Amino acid sequence: QKEVEQDPGPLSVPEGAIVSLNCTYSNSAFQYFMWYRQYSRKGPELLMYTYSSGNKEDGRFTAQVDKSSKYISLFIRDSQPSDSATYLCAATGGGNKLTFGTGTQLKVEL
Amino acid sequence: GAVVSQHPSRVICKSGTSVKIECRSLDFQATTMFWYRQFPKQSLMLMATSNEGSKATYEQGVEKDKFLINHASLTLSTLTVTSAHPEDSSFYICSAITGGNEKLFFGSGTQLSVL
Repeated sequence: QKEVEQDPGPLSVPEGAIVSLNCTYSNSAFQYFMWYRQYSRKGPELLMYTYSSGNKEDGRFTAQVDKSSKYISLFIRDSQPSDSATYLCAATGGGNKLTFGTGTQLKVEL
Repeated sequence: GAVVSQHPSRVICKSGTSVKIECRSLDFQATTMFWYRQFPKQSLMLMATSNEGSKATYEQGVEKDKFLINHASLTLSTLTVTSAHPEDSSFYICSAITGGNEKLFFGSGTQLSVL
């Protein structure tokens, strides 16, 4: 079993929809959780960074962590075609080594 | 966010040659940098952790003699793929961590194609 599981998609939604991206993890030591966006053939870009459980909002993006169920989510409101990318969740227990999910490919259609 | 520059973005080489990829932190000092490899539609696979002034730490299954890492300064780490073969063709991405937190910033990646 992978330490961080993520549905690879692809996920296709119409423009303006609310997108929900999810990951589950198995390592109870994970304390820090991130979401990265990766466009094709580019390096990942840090979108959201969360410590422990709770919600964090930044513009159209909301990250949610539920440590009791080991579940992390990213919500995108009013999705745009420019949001089409692969979204990677990542987690770490501290220190420098991150564990990544496989990424979910999102396509927002006009 | 912090800026990590990676160069070149794309390289095509003949089998048997060596290729060097550079990773620079532009607006911060990075005592630790990471090198990842990514195959199409797959996640990032950590290859090695590069520490300034000391030997890199390689992940299990990664050949240290094939993937030479040098981290000679606080802003530069290099990955050299020695005697490259077609199976080394992949997308290589470096990253660096800022300060004492876990925020990891990535370079733009290098697409290596070995003919």
